[in-house]
Amino acid sequence: AQSVAQPEDQVNVAEGNPLTVKCTYSVSGNPYLFWYVQYPNRGLQFLLKYITGDNLVKGSYGFEAEFNKSQTSFHLKKPSALVSDSALYFCAVISDTGRRALTFGSGTRLQVQP
Amino acid sequence: EAGVAQSPRYKIIEKRQSVAFWCNPISGHATLYWYQQILGQGPKLLIQFQNNGVVDDSQLPKDRFSAERLKGVDSTLKIQPAKLEDSAVYLCASSPRTGTSYEQYFGPGTRLTVT
Repeated sequence: AQSVAQPEDQVNVAEGNPLTVKCTYSVSGNPYLFWYVQYPNRGLQFLLKYITGDNLVKGSYGFEAEFNKSQTSFHLKKPSALVSDSALYFCAVISDTGRRALTFGSGTRLQVQP
Repeated sequence: EAGVAQSPRYKIIEKRQSVAFWCNPISGHATLYWYQQILGQGPKLLIQFQNNGVVDDSQLPKDRFSAERLKGVDSTLKIQPAKLEDSAVYLCASSPRTGTSYEQYFGPGTRLTVT
């Protein structure tokens, strides 16, 4: 079975400071990892993904994430947070073997204070 | 490019009633997904279609939920009869094809409240 853990329900950061939203996963086989963002009353929007290759992937709106196979982590980062980044962030994983369904974490609410 | 469309956006029903949701995916997207997102949780896949065939419905409560995708384009998800625990946001998503590396594009969702 595959699973995703987002250990923090909420992350608070001041505008202009760097931010990190944590994600760890468990799969059999090789993981394909995704980050999505959800704004109020809107669907999820794709931010970035790791499939293979460079462990550091860059995505939309200045976000990036680092794949760490030994720690089974895929933390989301941004060098300088904006108030408009405040939203709900979901990490998701799918395996290249077994059931090919995307499994989401429970989400982390990011609050950026001006 | 138009996004994934869903209707209605909100629905309130009483338990034991039936309800249906509609989804129109992005044009040309072969794969369509229905997710259930309960408050405070991440989305959970209910059913996945490839064109008009079911790829995965292992987590669909088939005694009360049904879904179809006629002609491989739009789709409907039905609940009959509804229970209180079905209160959730129902998200539809689509992707260009089936494959683990392809990101999914989500609609705005239908918020269902069962009283």
